[in-house]
Amino acid sequence: DGGITQSPKYLFRKEGQNVTLSCEQNLNHDAMYWYRQDPGQGLRLIYYSQIVNDFQKGDIAEGYSVSREKKESFPLTVTSAQKNPTAFYLCASKGQGSQPQHFGDGTRLSIL
Amino acid sequence: AQSVTQPDIHITVSEGASLELRCNYSYGATPYLFWYVQSPGQGLQLLLKYFSGDTLVQGIKGFEAEFKRSQSSFNLRKPSVHWSDAAEYFCAVGSMEYGNKLVFGAGTILRVKS
Repeated sequence: DGGITQSPKYLFRKEGQNVTLSCEQNLNHDAMYWYRQDPGQGLRLIYYSQIVNDFQKGDIAEGYSVSREKKESFPLTVTSAQKNPTAFYLCASKGQGSQPQHFGDGTRLSIL
Repeated sequence: AQSVTQPDIHITVSEGASLELRCNYSYGATPYLFWYVQSPGQGLQLLLKYFSGDTLVQGIKGFEAEFKRSQSSFNLRKPSVHWSDAAEYFCAVGSMEYGNKLVFGAGTILRVKS
């Protein structure tokens, strides 16, 4: 089945540590997105990539970094500069034109 | 700036009753609109989408939504709610002019009482 796989489902970070969230898709989509979800705030865009080897900052990119070396993969690194990283992180991908975004099942990041 | 407003944070309806979830948007380009549903701890599932044409769109699970340009609204409706519809619902707006990025509302949590 085609879809988006996010791993791990739960992740814990120590103070001063960088952690990387994985997002893989086998939908052959060009565009991929990372969102952060906090209770009562909906989803906020962190980074997005419309093509391999290119990505743009979203609304809340500070303290995060990404790479897009392969079409299928768009990992997100939460750096130690992100002071409030506890949240639910969602990855999405999108096909051509007016196709909707498809979402993975998310990764919940907590601070130890 | 683009924005999406879902005025109701929580809604409680009785099983079998009708449902309407409100969504209003402010957008500088020709929008396309979506409703997504999320169960706790899960990702978002697309319920329906509007791009152009007929302003009343049908989605999965018996949901429908009506695009009203004059009111900048895209309200979600269901004639008879089932207990399994309890979840959080998100309205989102996007546009090719803005790089296909979506702007989401804050969500409406639906509770269904038996």
